[in-house]
Amino acid sequence: QSALTQPPSASGSPGQSVTISCTGSSSDVGDDNHVSWYQQHPGKAPKLMIFEVNRRPSGVPDRFSGSKSGNTASLTVSGLQAEDEADYYCTSYAGRNNHVIFGGGTKLTVL
Amino acid sequence: QVQLEELGPGLVKPSETLSLTCVVSGGSISSYYWSWIRQPPGKGLEWIGNSYYSGSTNYNPSLKSRVTISVDTSKTQISLNVSSVTAADTAVYYCARNPPYATPYGYYYYYMDVWGKGTSVTVSS
Repeated sequence: QSALTQPPSASGSPGQSVTISCTGSSSDVGDDNHVSWYQQHPGKAPKLMIFEVNRRPSGVPDRFSGSKSGNTASLTVSGLQAEDEADYYCTSYAGRNNHVIFGGGTKLTVL
Repeated sequence: QVQLEELGPGLVKPSETLSLTCVVSGGSISSYYWSWIRQPPGKGLEWIGNSYYSGSTNYNPSLKSRVTISVDTSKTQISLNVSSVTAADTAVYYCARNPPYATPYGYYYYYMDVWGKGTSVTVSS
């Protein structure tokens, strides 16, 4: 199984919006809505931000939103804040083999 | 709330077996899948595999021949064994919980809502 494709970096100024893409195939991202996103600050464990393409766990700000079109899922961070600077990873369920596939990660910089 | 803690040796010799334990506290181990994920230094996350509390397992095809994950419900622990390790297995290893997501087609266990802090493992002689 190949990793999902994410841009290595993204950036934006405080208050702006940034969108991070996650491209897979018809066997994973495009197959269903089982896509999730994680935020990871340096030296810390990942934190679930989005599941099922666009659902937020309790406690995650509504500045974080998700969407999907075809084989590409996206995470949008609106109203950027300094604490949003982190690495972001997408995952998809690969149903045919009951696997979970990670994206390569995107480093988000708040300018 | 449920907490996870990864335990194990920080140093493993090449060709030996890496063994880690994830201790679950503050919650039930039943009705969940439990995943192991690793992150080599400076690199991204890699899903290793998961196990249901009753024993059903799924593994990353790239690691399947060397990995065993098991759940001990009596001790509320999840174990990971990786055999024949090399320097490429040097990483921070995380355990995480996969909750059930209900759909008309059944339950899916794919996202990870609770993570341990991780434990660093170095493979070196």
